[in-house]
Amino acid sequence: DAKTTQPPSMDCAEGRAANLPCNHSTISGNEYVYWYRQIHSQGPQYIIHGLKNNETNEMASLIITEDRKSSTLILPHATLRDTAVYYCIAWANRDDKIIFGKGTRLHILP
Amino acid sequence: NAGVTQTPKFQVLKTGQSMTLQCAQDMNHNSMYWYRQDPGMGLRLIYYSASEGTTDKGEVPNGYNVSRLNKREFSLRLESAAPSQTSVYFCATALTSSYEQYFGPGTRLTVT
Repeated sequence: DAKTTQPPSMDCAEGRAANLPCNHSTISGNEYVYWYRQIHSQGPQYIIHGLKNNETNEMASLIITEDRKSSTLILPHATLRDTAVYYCIAWANRDDKIIFGKGTRLHILP
Repeated sequence: NAGVTQTPKFQVLKTGQSMTLQCAQDMNHNSMYWYRQDPGMGLRLIYYSASEGTTDKGEVPNGYNVSRLNKREFSLRLESAAPSQTSVYFCATALTSSYEQYFGPGTRLTVT
């Protein structure tokens, strides 16, 4: 079973910030939070990951709560091209199986 | 730089036929993975190879075999295809098993 829980779908207006939540209440101390997205039927694309601190890169920001039980992926200025399924994954960065759940289907509205 | 390439892009098989899905990468990554994705579902790991010369079972290995031919290539073989193996198959690579994965474009397989 996936170790993370995400809403099945969300809408966001184009140009606004998209905030995608993820619960991982049973995350272990050595597990990172990873985010991937899958646009239409393409292969998944890595977005960002973090352990405890907030992270930012050219694609997104990741906010992890202090207790590490939940996190939020932020796409600062959503465009139509950000319409995709977003997967939140808890993974320990070792020879371990990554479990992709069903993710959140994000619809960007024009 | 092609990244991760998969062949073929589409395939239709009859029940009982065999075939091999090919994956190649030019990223000089050590780890390679095979996933399947059924309609409306997330990805499930079939097999992975943490490094050249090693392979391990993932979540759903039954009905499949793999070969890590060299550092660049990782193939997935269906010896006797079944309709339950109709799916989209993705290959992925990572610098090592501790790093993020990069995915190929997928192979869409239908078994009738």
